[in-house]
Amino acid sequence: SQQGEEDPQALSIQEGENATMNCSYKTSINNLQWYRQNSGRGLVHLILIRSNEREKHSGRLRVTLDTSKKSSSLLITASRAADTASYFCATDGAGGENKLTFGTGTQLKVEL
Amino acid sequence: GAVVSQHPSRVICKSGTSVKIECRSLDFQATTMFWYRQFPKKSLMLMATSNEGSKATYEQGVEKDKFLINHASLTLSTLTVTSAHPEDSSFYICSARGLAGVQTGETQYFGPGTRLLVL
Repeated sequence: SQQGEEDPQALSIQEGENATMNCSYKTSINNLQWYRQNSGRGLVHLILIRSNEREKHSGRLRVTLDTSKKSSSLLITASRAADTASYFCATDGAGGENKLTFGTGTQLKVEL
Repeated sequence: GAVVSQHPSRVICKSGTSVKIECRSLDFQATTMFWYRQFPKKSLMLMATSNEGSKATYEQGVEKDKFLINHASLTLSTLTVTSAHPEDSSFYICSARGLAGVQTGETQYFGPGTRLLVL
């Protein structure tokens, strides 16, 4: 089952603006990961944040994790047209099954 | 590093035929591989988890006799859609995870996907 819910479902912004996507989940996790998917392609791993971490940066990406609220956010700063894609969060549960449960995804469109 | 390939990238077949999709980890040993299915504009649904040398673990609602998975080596897993029907048309994506304790053990690396169309 898909435990992650992401919002917004779709986001359209201008190039140069920041894009924020949110993810909520329901069960305890070992880590949470964000992936990007271009239309009709496979997924590209962006960043992993562990359950004992609160914030992580990678280039123009900033991820936060609030385990008390069971939520995470992905911020893309200074967006570019090439950032247009679908973004998914995925949780690696704490139950020892070592499998990812994906959120519903956010479709980001960055316009010139 | 950590590249996963899938073959074929797309396949069109007639109803009733079987289709095999290969998933390979090119530069690391994948102790675990995962098979997902994705419908248009939807999220990924995990179908099954396979560990090298053992039987796959299927998610609830996935027919193991319909979707045969073989993980015969540390770099190759195959998904065979048997007696395919139009409702099996979908985007199938595999991922691979390496040994625990190394970088490739914490992250799943995804293949580019295979688009299956059953006529």
